[in-house]
Amino acid sequence: GAGVSQTPSNKVTEKGKYVELRCDPISGHTALYWYRQSLGQGPEFLIYFQGTGAADDSGLPNDRFFAVRPEGSVSTLKIQRTERGDSAVYLCASSLYEGSNEQFFGPGTRLTVL
Amino acid sequence: GESVGLHLPTLSVQEGDNSIINCAYSNSASDYFIWYKQESGKGPQFIIDIRSNMDKRQGQRVTVLLNKTVKHLSLQIAATQPGDSAVYFCAENIDSSASKIIFGSGTRLSIRP
Repeated sequence: GAGVSQTPSNKVTEKGKYVELRCDPISGHTALYWYRQSLGQGPEFLIYFQGTGAADDSGLPNDRFFAVRPEGSVSTLKIQRTERGDSAVYLCASSLYEGSNEQFFGPGTRLTVL
Repeated sequence: GESVGLHLPTLSVQEGDNSIINCAYSNSASDYFIWYKQESGKGPQFIIDIRSNMDKRQGQRVTVLLNKTVKHLSLQIAATQPGDSAVYFCAENIDSSASKIIFGSGTRLSIRP
């Protein structure tokens, strides 16, 4: 079946611009997660949703980062006033239920801020 | 505090041999410890997990060992194959009622033919 998909696969933007990254989870998965991965590092937790609500957003680095999941399926990660330090691969994952250790990851969006 | 780390950043193994990837952790309160595999250009893939009240768990060609006395976790891969080449991350789920997984920095496993 279809896995987690993320669009775009690559995004190049200029410092100060606004970007949106999209995640389509596996159908029927109630929990959705966003991570950020820098080169040579493990994924860093940002936020997770159970249904439509953000259950834990403690990993968002600052108020320039925001994520939504209005209908409990597709999610969008929004970054305002991008900075060069935001450059990373942004990974989305979903799981069948909250608390599951088996999270299914998408291929990621590589964000480059010039 | 929350910390998951690895002893070795790279590991080279002869095809057909067994691989052992090690990991140290510092948070004794974690509910679960987890191993993920990440191939180049892809997202991480779940391999196996172990609950904190267990010492050993086996999967298909993989075994995870948990030593709570020395806060050590290992992943053993039997009869390593070329398709096992990847970066392996240990991770911990501090609260299994939630979903916040903390990843370590990874070990790259390369297979010699």
